[in-house]
Amino acid sequence: EPEVTQTPSHQVTQMGQEVILRCVPISNHLYFYWYRQILGQKVEFLVSFYNNEISEKSEIFDDQFSVERPDGSNFTLKIRSTKLEDSAMYFCASSEALWGSGGGTDTQYFGPGTRLTVL
Amino acid sequence: DAKTTQPNSMESNEEEPVHLPCNHSTISGTDYIHWYRQLPSQGPEYVIHGLTSNVNNRMASLAIAEDRKSSTLILHRATLRDAAVYYCILRDYGGSQGNLIFGKGTKLSVKP
Repeated sequence: EPEVTQTPSHQVTQMGQEVILRCVPISNHLYFYWYRQILGQKVEFLVSFYNNEISEKSEIFDDQFSVERPDGSNFTLKIRSTKLEDSAMYFCASSEALWGSGGGTDTQYFGPGTRLTVL
Repeated sequence: DAKTTQPNSMESNEEEPVHLPCNHSTISGTDYIHWYRQLPSQGPEYVIHGLTSNVNNRMASLAIAEDRKSSTLILHRATLRDAAVYYCILRDYGGSQGNLIFGKGTKLSVKP
């Protein structure tokens, strides 16, 4: 069964450093998402991406964050200058169609996550 | 999106049915009821969704009250692998947002 993959599984970085988290969405999916989950807290939406541009973003997704689809398979989240409070699990998700399309094609499939630790 | 209320935690015995409730008294006519679950140290996983009628799939059943103000996710025979946090999420088909809004969910423990 196709699945979303994410690398690395765990990233440790120093405060102020740039990190890039990588995701390979399911191959025929067109909509991509990043969520994060701080330890012990809720899963929070960061950003959605379609047709090489951001569709929606939350308040968390400030100028320190950016997303890119550098090629036909990867989807990346970059944090320019990490802060201690960026430490969290970051989940990538993808869906074949946008929410509201029906027929189950708008189901979001999540990857296993990248644990980001900022020291 | 309308708010949902779930118990913080529930316990079940292995191989017994589990009924996970969700209240959504302010649900609108275009809100679909979605359930996701998150196994320990994993990303969320889609379980099931419905609008008005009860729904069944290979993972679970979803029973929706006639007034749609509550719903119940039913795991017919709980296994140890079903121990997870279960999230009930309302998604407005009439809205423009594609993101999922997660609450705290119900942490299900399954005892052998």
